[in-house]
Amino acid sequence: DAGITQSPRHKVTETGTPVTLRCHQTENHRYMYWYRQDPGHGLRLIHYSYGVKDTDKGEVSDGYSVSRSKTEDFLLTLESATSSQTSVYFCAISESPSGRAAEQFFGPGTRLTVL
Amino acid sequence: GENVEQHPSTLSVQEGDSAVIKCTYSDSASNYFPWYKQELGKRPQLIIDIRSNVGEKKDQRIAVTLNKTAKHFSLHITETQPEDSAVYFCAARNSGGSNYKLTFGKGTLLTVNP
Repeated sequence: DAGITQSPRHKVTETGTPVTLRCHQTENHRYMYWYRQDPGHGLRLIHYSYGVKDTDKGEVSDGYSVSRSKTEDFLLTLESATSSQTSVYFCAISESPSGRAAEQFFGPGTRLTVL
Repeated sequence: GENVEQHPSTLSVQEGDSAVIKCTYSDSASNYFPWYKQELGKRPQLIIDIRSNVGEKKDQRIAVTLNKTAKHFSLHITETQPEDSAVYFCAARNSGGSNYKLTFGKGTLLTVNP
């Protein structure tokens, strides 16, 4: 597995509380992504980053924000968690968005439960 | 934006049989089509990919075919084994402009019965 870690791996929180998930990579890849995975929906892109301090929205970005202050770290924040954000969150990295280095490598995932 | 449809949602085969999973995409500008395998409780992992300048690609027991005109691509697994049991996801990428995002299908749960 590529050098990607996510923390925490499991979290239970209450509605209305802020939550931050961390993705850390040791591959020095430029591109980083946050997905959520829900039964019947596959993997849906929340936000992605194409460099330090360069981020853009994915298809399900409402209620989420991201930050990338260093190449190796990509943070996903739920400002005020809701039950609909209960999901498994995967971080992914890629060296390039195209060509031979376009493969996305996924982290181990974070299971978030919002009560 | 891109829309990827994947069928079937579940597939059960006997060990040794072949399995075929099909995906269609909506954006004719998409040019990269990876397939990911996700075992229960694990992360998705790339098993094969194909680019729009190629019609077919093989890697041992797995193969992917692409029909650009019809905008569909398929995953073929031959001589299935119990360890092939997993959820398989297709995806498509549109590299137009600065949009290099992957759009995934909803997945196919493949069960290989011994």
